[in-house]
Amino acid sequence: DGGITQSPKYLFRKEGQNVTLSCEQNLNHDAMYWYRQDPGQGLRLIYYSQIVNDFQKGDIAEGYSVSREKKESFPLTVTSAQKNPTAFYLCASSKSWGGGQPQHFGDGTRLSIL
Amino acid sequence: GENVEQHPSTLSVQEGDSAVIKCTYSDSASNYFPWYKQELGKRPQLIIDIRSNVGEKKDQRIAVTLNKTAKHFSLHITETQPEDSAVYFCAAGQDTGRRALTFGSGTRLQVQP
Repeated sequence: DGGITQSPKYLFRKEGQNVTLSCEQNLNHDAMYWYRQDPGQGLRLIYYSQIVNDFQKGDIAEGYSVSREKKESFPLTVTSAQKNPTAFYLCASSKSWGGGQPQHFGDGTRLSIL
Repeated sequence: GENVEQHPSTLSVQEGDSAVIKCTYSDSASNYFPWYKQELGKRPQLIIDIRSNVGEKKDQRIAVTLNKTAKHFSLHITETQPEDSAVYFCAAGQDTGRRALTFGSGTRLQVQP
């Protein structure tokens, strides 16, 4: 879907460094999500936002932070407290909050440790 | 919360054969079941979904079946082609909005030409 843009495509983090992954959508969707994908393990929910100025922790929020100041944007910061950040990160959105409708995904950001 | 188990984790078939991927879910309140296809290095894309008020849905070579009593649903791909090779994810959710979709662990399908 061209409606969700993630950047950068590849990102490298040094020890002790915070890095921010960008996610922008032009679908006018209220809800946005961040997932972490590791090999052989499905999609694990990090944070979600039901509506602008709101966000909630998902299943694996430790070491991550988010903000939702604009409807279109939901950036994810991987902090130095996340000791194993190497993974593929996917941002998604849906028209409204909840598990009763499809989610649309971005192309992902692959984060690695230097 | 919801727990979704997906089997098999890998599946290899010959071109033209059928492929079946199965998922079970734990929360009987779940009523929405989408399937996503993820090609290598790309985003997951919705390929088909089903709601609990129907037992089967078809879209060309793809079909999904749902057994609410047994709490399992399956993806069926007929006449497989090499471009069907990808990782497939099932998911379960509720339209009451209490939580986000819960995803299975994925099945890597390899279609041998």
